[in-house]
Amino acid sequence: GAVVSQHPSRVICKSGTSVKIECRSLDFQATTMFWYRQFPKQSLMLMATSNEGSKATYEQGVEKDKFLINHASLTLSTLTVTSAHPEDSSFYICSAGGLLMNQPQHFGDGTRLSIL
Amino acid sequence: KQEVTQIPAALSVPEGENLVLNCSFTDSAIYNLQWFRQDPGKGLTSLLLIQSSQREQTSGRLNASLDKSSGRSTLYIAASQPGDSATYLCAVRYTGANSKLTFGKGITLSVRP
Repeated sequence: GAVVSQHPSRVICKSGTSVKIECRSLDFQATTMFWYRQFPKQSLMLMATSNEGSKATYEQGVEKDKFLINHASLTLSTLTVTSAHPEDSSFYICSAGGLLMNQPQHFGDGTRLSIL
Repeated sequence: KQEVTQIPAALSVPEGENLVLNCSFTDSAIYNLQWFRQDPGKGLTSLLLIQSSQREQTSGRLNASLDKSSGRSTLYIAASQPGDSATYLCAVRYTGANSKLTFGKGITLSVRP
């Protein structure tokens, strides 16, 4: 069964709306979670690393004020796309696990965000 | 630059055929390599994880190999089925990367009945 749960699976909203996406680890505590973005027929691009109890680490070129990350508990990280615009439309995926060398990373089912 | 490459981008085979998907990476200093499956509009499902000290891993009809010195990994699928149709992604965790995975663009596999 799934070990990482992501909600919602699909969001369609108007430009200017802020959208929150949740990522939960189901069977384990995750001090670190990862947020990715995927464009059609492209690979996953890491946006940020979410750290429980501290600030997220953003990859170069990712606006931290645009993509707010909160990791308030050991099982939940949220990504909020603030004042979303059509260019923010994409597939967003979170992952957890894999912090130790012998552990795989597990991924959520993704969120398809469409901004009209 | 540490990169992961998967060629070709797409592959179509008849049902029952054995096939090999290729993955290459630019730096042999890796912790591990992971193969994923992604169905359209879905997240990633982990298939196999190979540690840097390992040569291969097997799960059912899947076998993944790793050759660090040449910077290559292969995913072998035996007796392919239409249900195997999906995109297969290879991801590498390079040493010193703070657990970050570097992904290839994936190979979209279509198995024809």
